[in-house]
Amino acid sequence: EVQLVESGGGMVQPGGSLRLSCAASGFGFGNYWMSWVRQAPGKGPEWVGNIKQDGSEKYYVESVKGRFTISRDNAKNLLYLQVNSLRADDTAVYYCTRGRTTAEHWGQGTLVIVSS
Amino acid sequence: QSVLTQPPSASGTPGQRVTMSCSGGSSNIGRNTVNWYQQLPGTAPKLLIYNDNQRPSGVPDRFSGSKSGTSASLAISGLQSEDEADYYCAAWDDSLSGRVLFGGGTKLTVL
Repeated sequence: EVQLVESGGGMVQPGGSLRLSCAASGFGFGNYWMSWVRQAPGKGPEWVGNIKQDGSEKYYVESVKGRFTISRDNAKNLLYLQVNSLRADDTAVYYCTRGRTTAEHWGQGTLVIVSS
Repeated sequence: QSVLTQPPSASGTPGQRVTMSCSGGSSNIGRNTVNWYQQLPGTAPKLLIYNDNQRPSGVPDRFSGSKSGTSASLAISGLQSEDEADYYCAAWDDSLSGRVLFGGGTKLTVL
């Protein structure tokens, strides 16, 4: 069974940073593109970005370029999202998903609240 | 404001067939496939339809997807109370440097 478990969320002040993690199991993690999708309270999902199997290609939505970085550790089956220079509008549940442009499987999400 | 436009709400009674639309443009639905996601209250979204009209294993054949030009539709037949959820369409968009676009979602109420 495919399992994706996110962690690392919390409350942070504007301008702060967090590193979100996603532990993957139940499939060959290193064989799949992985993505992050976020969902602000009461809003629809928003694609954040994705990373190729070997980490050689990464793509981001314009609003997070230069602030967010996706990385992965295939030996540990872990996906990461480093979020810097956080703003109030980054407040959302952050989901780890399997797939390049189709989110085939989703984790339960980790909540990031940006507030002073 | 989402580039993929969905009606904010839809409703039906048990057993009915309901459809919901997703309108986009030439840079997204017009040239790329559409996915649909179902989000039950308090849970993460779940893939419901991919590649316009394909169902992942485990998704009942009551759910079907279609696409024509720059619009897509999701149909649910034999509506059940457990279908009450938010439904989102999504597609890759080739504008700018590329991104996945999600619609704003349709909240389905089973009366």
